Order: sequence, then C-alpha cells, then structure tokens
Amino acid sequence: SYVLTQPPSVSVAPGKTARITCGGNNIGTKSVHWYQQKPGQAPVLVIYYDSDRPSGIPERFSGSNSGNTATLTISRVEAGDEADYYCQVWDSSSDHLIFGAGTKLTVL
Amino acid sequence: EVQLVESGGGLVQPGGSLRLSCAVSGFPLSSYWMTWVRQAPGKGLEWVANIKQDGSDKYHVDSVKGRFTISRDNAKNSLYLQMNSLRAEDTAVYYCARQGIAGTKTPNGWFDPWGQGTLVTVSS
Repeated sequence: SYVLTQPPSVSVAPGKTARITCGGNNIGTKSVHWYQQKPGQAPVLVIYYDSDRPSGIPERFSGSNSGNTATLTISRVEAGDEADYYCQVWDSSSDHLIFGAGTKLTVL
Repeated sequence: EVQLVESGGGLVQPGGSLRLSCAVSGFPLSSYWMTWVRQAPGKGLEWVANIKQDGSDKYHVDSVKGRFTISRDNAKNSLYLQMNSLRAEDTAVYYCARQGIAGTKTPNGWFDPWGQGTLVTVSS
C-alpha cells in the first residue's frame, strides 16, 4: 500500500522558516492536504490541493508538491505554530485515505 | 455555524460492540462525503472509513473490514460507525469529519471541519 514518509521532528527558531516534507512515490501526481494538531485538540486543515489555504489560515502557511516530495512551509514561525503536522492523500490503487506519521514542530 | 459532535464512546470489553454517532449542523449533510478518523493514545492519525453522500459507496481501512461499518442518515443529520468484535488496538479517539467540497463524486478530498472526538477504550 501507499506510504507517506514524514520526519518525526523539525525544530526552528521564532521568525525563521520551517519546512516539513512528506515523501511518497510520485506524490506529485496526487493531491496533498496538510493538517495541524495541537495537544488535546482536533486536527485543523491548513493546506489543501497541495497549496491552497482555507480561509482563516495565515499566509505564512504555504505548500508545494512535485516529484516524490510535498512540502509544507511555514514562514516567520511563531510560538503558536508549535504542533504536530500531518500530510494526507487518497490512494486510488487501494481506495484508501493515507496519512503520514506526523511531524512534531518545535519552536525553539 | 458548522458543527460536528461525536458521541457513543466509552469503555468496552474485547469482543464487544459500540455504535458511534456524529450529529452535524450548519450544512446539508446530504451534499458531502463524510469520514471517520481515529487516533490511538500518543499516536498519529489513521483513516477508518468514509461514505458517499447517498451512502451508495463506502470504503473501510483493511484493519476494520468485516468488523466496522460506516453509515449515515441524512434525514437525521447523522453519521454512524458500528464497531463490532472490538480489540485492544481499536482504543483511540474517534473523529468524524466533513470531506471535500459539496457535490464531489470522488472520495479524494480533505477533511474540514472535524468534530472534537469521542474516546473508545477497549479493555477488560
């Protein structure tokens, strides 16, 4: 079955740029969606269709997807961005929705 | 305001059954694919099942096939997950979520918004 690979953790200083990757075989041919989850809370959609932002999500959040890697980029990182981030795709070969294992973003 | 509220979680013995419900408001349930996602304690997100607007198409993750069944009652604005033959590894917070955009024919979509989740604990 299709596998999405995320780094377990990413650390970044406030004001800097964080990049969280999501690897998968030819993931560039799929639509990738990203979620933010803070402790004790339900996940929140932050990017859909690779690079679209839902209303209410800051412009600091952006996404890209090409080849074997999709990337969530958070610019001018703030303490409030500290959370777990998950990528997600639909695998049409198995008719399954797939999540990456998640990346814990730590703001130093 | 769009709202999804799960209920029905609790403590159940291995081999037992539970039925989760998700009451929705603020949007026409009949226009959207809906999904269940779970999260075991300290673990990541795992998709469980999704269902088409009219209930004609359903997909379940392999680990729950034959044990769990997703269903919906659009007239009651409700989504359900019938869970039978529960195992310890089914212990998790179960979230319902609205999927994709209204009217889409494909299950290939994102989840927004999510409910607050309901905890299912399978233990003797």
